[in-house]
Amino acid sequence: TQLLEQSPQFLSIQEGENLTVYCNSSSVFSSLQWYRQEPGEGPVLLVTVVTGGEVKKLKRLTFQFGDARKDSSLHITAAQPGDTGLYLCAGANDYKLSFGAGTTVTVRA
Amino acid sequence: GAVVSQHPSWVICKSGTSVKIECRSLDFQATTMFWYRQFPKQSLMLMATSNEGSKATYEQGVEKDKFLINHASLTLSTLTVTSAHPEDSSFYICSARKGGGDTQYFGPGTRLTVL
Repeated sequence: TQLLEQSPQFLSIQEGENLTVYCNSSSVFSSLQWYRQEPGEGPVLLVTVVTGGEVKKLKRLTFQFGDARKDSSLHITAAQPGDTGLYLCAGANDYKLSFGAGTTVTVRA
Repeated sequence: GAVVSQHPSWVICKSGTSVKIECRSLDFQATTMFWYRQFPKQSLMLMATSNEGSKATYEQGVEKDKFLINHASLTLSTLTVTSAHPEDSSFYICSARKGGGDTQYFGPGTRLTVL
């Protein structure tokens, strides 16, 4: 059983459209991290959110941490083909990460 | 920066042999290092946590005698897969924690194929 539930599992959109990926849990985390992983490579950190209700923006990417620190979302505005990849959320407790199953995002040109 | 390297990037070995994978934090001293494995189309599963100079802590279901972890310094951890079998074939990824926070920085991974 996955500690963190990510949805959707797959997402295919046209260039220029917006998308949102959700990460939900019944557990409270000290922080939550979002990563992007390309095939055959290790995950690359996008952001760490720590405070309940926190919103962080990274260019076209907006990350939100739920007030209760149990859930998070990643929103991409005007997606581009370069945004294609596997997006992983990971919740931290006692410095250990529990990963969601991942969302495969495909942005078509 | 926070760069983590792994070596080798891929390895093919015969069943019954042992394979060592190195994980290095290149531009920082890692408080803690972690080892994960990832099967195709699946997410990362934590195998063990290691701190410099102490024994690694293994997750439930991970055989500590099969997956030997040595954390010799604040910048180097090694994972040795002993007596490897085809079912050990996987993508092994290490990560390192920098400073006092939760954030982990990941290496590029090592693809192990056991014939």
